[in-house]
Amino acid sequence: AQKVTQAQTEISVVEKEDVTLDCVYETRDTTYYLFWYKQPPSGELVFLIRRNSFDEQNEISGRYSWNFQKSTSSFNFTITASQVVDSAVYFCALSVGGTSYGKLTFGQGTILTVHP
Amino acid sequence: NAGVTQTPKFRILKIGQSMTLQCAQDMNHNYMYWYRQDPGMGLKLIYYSVGAGITDKGEVPNGYNVSRSTTEDFPLRLELAAPSQTSVYFCASSPPIGREYEKLFFGSGTQLSVL
Repeated sequence: AQKVTQAQTEISVVEKEDVTLDCVYETRDTTYYLFWYKQPPSGELVFLIRRNSFDEQNEISGRYSWNFQKSTSSFNFTITASQVVDSAVYFCALSVGGTSYGKLTFGQGTILTVHP
Repeated sequence: NAGVTQTPKFRILKIGQSMTLQCAQDMNHNYMYWYRQDPGMGLKLIYYSVGAGITDKGEVPNGYNVSRSTTEDFPLRLELAAPSQTSVYFCASSPPIGREYEKLFFGSGTQLSVL
């Protein structure tokens, strides 16, 4: 069975601070996919990134960056120079290859509040 | 292009009532899913479908039923609603294996309360 743990239930920062959201996953499969989704106050889920288990390169997209380390089963998400619009619930998720297409296992989410 | 459309947005049910949550997508996606999100929790998969006429159970299917008669529509049926089914329900779809592999497109959710 798969499991995703987001250790931080809530994080509160002041605008322009950097913030890292932690994600640790468990799976016995060698082929798997990791995701981050953002859920703003409006409620919809917005896809941020997908990473497969064979690609450990870190990725940067604007103020967002992701650090994938198979050795520690972690897929952490950093927001640089946070803004109020970053306030949301962030979910880390995992799916395994083959017939589990689209069947994501979600972490419980981290509520990020960015104060002006 | 509307994406994934869910109706209704809010609903209050009495214990024992039944209802159908509607979900439609206009992206010609083969795969569709129903997830539920309980307060302070991540999403859990209820049912999914890999194409018209094919459905299968997810992690928490008890108390629900689905059908997939067309590529576009994937309704979720609640029979004999119970307070434990109070949750936010999300429908999602994803394209066939390719460049957007496993990128789920979510609807805006249906907030359901069973009292």
